[in-house]
This record gives sequence, C-alpha cells and structure tokens, in this order.
Amino acid sequence: ETGVTQSPTHLIKTRGQQVTLRCSSQSGHNTVSWYQQALGQGPQFIFQYYREEENGRGNFPPRFSGLQFPNYSSELNVNALELDDSALYLCASSFAGTSYEQYFGPGTRLTVT
Amino acid sequence: GENVEQHPSTLSVQEGDSAVIKCTYSDSASNYFPWYKQELGKRPQLIIDIRSNVGEKKDQRIAVTLNKTAKHFSLHITETQPEDSAVYFCAALLGGADGLTFGKGTHLIIQP
Repeated sequence: ETGVTQSPTHLIKTRGQQVTLRCSSQSGHNTVSWYQQALGQGPQFIFQYYREEENGRGNFPPRFSGLQFPNYSSELNVNALELDDSALYLCASSFAGTSYEQYFGPGTRLTVT
Repeated sequence: GENVEQHPSTLSVQEGDSAVIKCTYSDSASNYFPWYKQELGKRPQLIIDIRSNVGEKKDQRIAVTLNKTAKHFSLHITETQPEDSAVYFCAALLGGADGLTFGKGTHLIIQP
C-alpha cells in the first residue's frame, strides 16, 4: 500500500503569478481533499474531489481551483497569488462510502513574495 | 458552518503523567471526530477517531471520549513519553463532502 505523495516540496512564487500543486492519493482511495495550513494554525478545508468533480468547498475564493484525474490523483491551482497565500498546502486522501478517515500527504510549502 | 474550539493551546506535563486535550464543536449534526498528531515539519498523522454513535474509544495509551449532548470531545494520553511531544489537532466532520474543520492545535510538551 502506497501513501499519499505531493509535489513539489517547496515553491517560491511572486505575487500575481499562478501555481499548480500535485497530489497522488493512497492506493485504494478515490477522494482527495485539499487544505491550507498557515503557520501555527490548524488546516483549513479548501475543497474535495470525488469522481473527478468538486464535491464540497470551504470558504476560499474561485481563484482556488482543482482537478481530479481518472487515477484519483489531483491538482490544486491558485491564480493571482497574494502574499496571504503563503502556507503549507496539504492534500488528504480517503475512500468515500465506507470510511471518513483522511490520510495526509507531506504537503507543499508555498512562499509568495 | 462548523466551528471547533480547542484547549489548551500549550500543555506541559512530566514524563509518565497523563495529558488531556479538550475540544468543543458547534454543529450537532457533526458525526465524526478525528485527532491528528503533527510533529515539526511533518504531515498531520491520524492517531485516533470516534464516530457520533460511540462514547469512548481506546487504543493502547490513547483514548478519546465524546459527549454529544455537551458537544465536546477529549483526547487522553496516559504514561506520556518524550515521543508524544508534538502539536495535536482535533477536528469535526459535518458531512462527507464538507471537509474536516480543525481546532487551532495544542502544543504538547513532555518534560523529562
């Protein structure tokens, strides 16, 4: 059984740019959720993907968007980056239907300058 | 939406003593309550969880209790060890598609 992986590990971008982060879900899982974790805070839910569609969304603006692919991997895209977007971005995979358990990847540390 | 409050923000205990972290939630429809441990620079790790139809769950030195009437749940760690030092987060799930709502975390320090 393989765990959740994310790429890249670290990323530095300039305000106004766009960024794409990637996540591979744990084998056997079909759902991916994305979270933003600011320094010293708990993770905040961005959105969830199931069957290649957005299945639920937290309080984040439309410039945060995503995709899920047939192999259940996922991307998080952020347009028009702002300084406050600097955070650790975590994805979590789960299996919809029988379990609520979510397992996190190692995260991508995004710094916006 | 759901709101989760977590206390204390920092907890220091002597090695071998017990530690208790408490959380309250706002939405009575929440039905799943996991606890995560996050060491510095690492991913949150699921350590124990409880569903709303259960009052208590135990796994070796850790246990979680849930009081649905009062809308609070707690993490209990007994016989604490140095490797228990980390930030612990509680969370609540309102529905499968809503995502987890996390508390702000408790920094647990185990004093030798």
